[in-house]
Amino acid sequence: KNEVEQSPQNLTAQEGEFITINCSYSVGISALHWLQQHPGGGIVSLFMLSSGKKKHGRLIATINIQEKHSSLHITASHPRDSAVYICAVITSGTYKYIFGTGTRLKVLA
Amino acid sequence: DGGITQSPKYLFRKEGQNVTLSCEQNLNHDAMYWYRQDPGQGLRLIYYSQIVNDFQKGDIAEGYSVSREKKESFPLTVTSAQKNPTAFYLCASSIGELRGAGSAQHFGDGTRLSIL
Repeated sequence: KNEVEQSPQNLTAQEGEFITINCSYSVGISALHWLQQHPGGGIVSLFMLSSGKKKHGRLIATINIQEKHSSLHITASHPRDSAVYICAVITSGTYKYIFGTGTRLKVLA
Repeated sequence: DGGITQSPKYLFRKEGQNVTLSCEQNLNHDAMYWYRQDPGQGLRLIYYSQIVNDFQKGDIAEGYSVSREKKESFPLTVTSAQKNPTAFYLCASSIGELRGAGSAQHFGDGTRLSIL
């Protein structure tokens, strides 16, 4: 079993829909990092959080440390949101990154 | 603008050849990392360096080598000993544990390596 699990693996949505991507982990962490990988392969940082909730534009990230779970929400989705979203945890103590396998999102116009 | 530059974007290797992937950063970060990405798998750590002239093996270092002669540069060589080198390679950097444990990593745009 992977230490970082994302769901769903693939997601197709219609433009305007509210989207949720989930991330569960089984190790102790100091923080969790949500990343976006564009079709060309480059990776962009979205959020790094260790508690509570962060919001930037149409993106919202939440984390529940007790339940070892984080969610990434996209409101009013748009075709330009189509990408792979990757959850990564930074392990406590060793501060190493462990990556989930990613969620491939396609938003249709 | 500060960032991480990887080159080339696409690279082709013949059997038995060594190839070197370039990674340069102008973020003044101490730590640099190399990851390999394969379809359906999370990024896996090949090598990392916390400081100039020092580097450590990651989870899948066999068949790879690195150097860290300058703070800005962390080239990765894929040797002929790497039996399955076809993959997408990503370089990253962070402030590093020496200045701030658990700091966020910043990523380059990657190099796609294929075998001819």
